[in-house]
Amino acid sequence: AQTVTQSQPEMSVQEAETVTLSCTYDTSENNYYLFWYKQPPSRQMILVIRQEAYKQQNATENRFSVNFQKAAKSFSLKISDSQLGDTAMYFCAFMKPGGKLIFGQGTELSVKP
Amino acid sequence: EAGVAQSPRYKIIEKRQSVAFWCNPISGHATLYWYQQILGQGPKLLIQFQNNGVVDDSQLPKDRFSAERLKGVDSTLKIQPAKLEDSAVYLCASRPTPKGMNTEAFFGQGTRLTVV
Repeated sequence: AQTVTQSQPEMSVQEAETVTLSCTYDTSENNYYLFWYKQPPSRQMILVIRQEAYKQQNATENRFSVNFQKAAKSFSLKISDSQLGDTAMYFCAFMKPGGKLIFGQGTELSVKP
Repeated sequence: EAGVAQSPRYKIIEKRQSVAFWCNPISGHATLYWYQQILGQGPKLLIQFQNNGVVDDSQLPKDRFSAERLKGVDSTLKIQPAKLEDSAVYLCASRPTPKGMNTEAFFGQGTRLTVV
């Protein structure tokens, strides 16, 4: 069975600095997708970034980028120039063929002024 | 494009009572998910539908939880009877493409259930 592990329950960063959130996963699949979702206090899950397993190039979306290490089954999220609005829970998620979407335990990120 | 709609937003019930949650996915989305998110934890998949068929319900406590997706559109999740440990946020999500994976899941705002 697939599992997703986020080993950092809480992180904090100063505004304008860079922070990296860690995620590891376990799977025997070769083709899959990985996602980072953001969940602010309003509870609405919002997609931050996605990565296709067969693409070696790391995905980037403005201030958000990932470091995807397929062999190590690692998928970290880097947030550059952190903003107060980035304060939220961040969830790493794995989707295998068939569409089953599995989440990690989450990392609570606080951006401090 | 309208998002995933869920109702109610909040519900408080006594243990052993029954409760139902409703989800209206984004129009045309074939895949629908129900998740249970206990405070401080990640969402746990309860059931996944593709159109009106069940793809995965391996973590659904079938002695008390049931879900249906009539006509492959709206879905309801029911708990009967509720236990204290069912207190959680119940999230509904939908995704447009049944076969392709290059699509994100869109989430509703969830229903916060408190069992007292």
